[in-house]
Amino acid sequence: DAGITQSPRHKVTETGTPVTLRCHQTENHRYMYWYRQDPGHGLRLIHYSYGVKDTDKGEVSDGYSVSRSKTEDFLLTLESATSSQTSVYFCAISPVEPSNIQYFGAGTRLSVL
Amino acid sequence: AQTVTQSQPEMSVQEAETVTLSCTYDTSESDYYLFWYKQPPSRQMILVIRQEAYKQQNATENRFSVNFQKAAKSFSLKISDSQLGDAAMYFCAYRSAKGAQKLVFGQGTRLTINP
Repeated sequence: DAGITQSPRHKVTETGTPVTLRCHQTENHRYMYWYRQDPGHGLRLIHYSYGVKDTDKGEVSDGYSVSRSKTEDFLLTLESATSSQTSVYFCAISPVEPSNIQYFGAGTRLSVL
Repeated sequence: AQTVTQSQPEMSVQEAETVTLSCTYDTSESDYYLFWYKQPPSRQMILVIRQEAYKQQNATENRFSVNFQKAAKSFSLKISDSQLGDAAMYFCAYRSAKGAQKLVFGQGTRLTINP
């Protein structure tokens, strides 16, 4: 298994509170990604990073921010959680080589009440 | 922007039989990669098979094979000799050969194996 750890694995929070999800890798891969999974939509990209302090928006970035201060850590922050952000969140990592594969973490189930 | 469509929300097959999951995609690029991921109830995303667009030969991995039709932008997954452990959500995904290697996923197909 690729060395990817997501924390927490489960979280219940209230509307309006800030939430931070953490993705930690031990593979030293350059690329890191945050996706959300919702029924009927598959996985959709929120934000991604192509290096330390280098990040960019994905398809569904509104209401989310990210930070990457170290190669191994990629944080996803919901500044003020809303019920529409109830979802399962996946982190993925990928090396630079063009034929590479993305490896996924185990996911974080977030419920915003 | 690229899109991926899986038109079969659910499929079922008898154990030991063969099943084919459909996937179509839309892109203006000529160089890209296509993937099938499996997601069992554990929620873990597991890579099943990968196809490079520049390769005409269809990829195979044991009981899993694809039918890649580049002109038709079709990428179906065939599972032979279906086993109970194959029951899962299956996602088709596209990735450009350029840029940040982001994956674009289809909506998923839930596969049930009947004993």
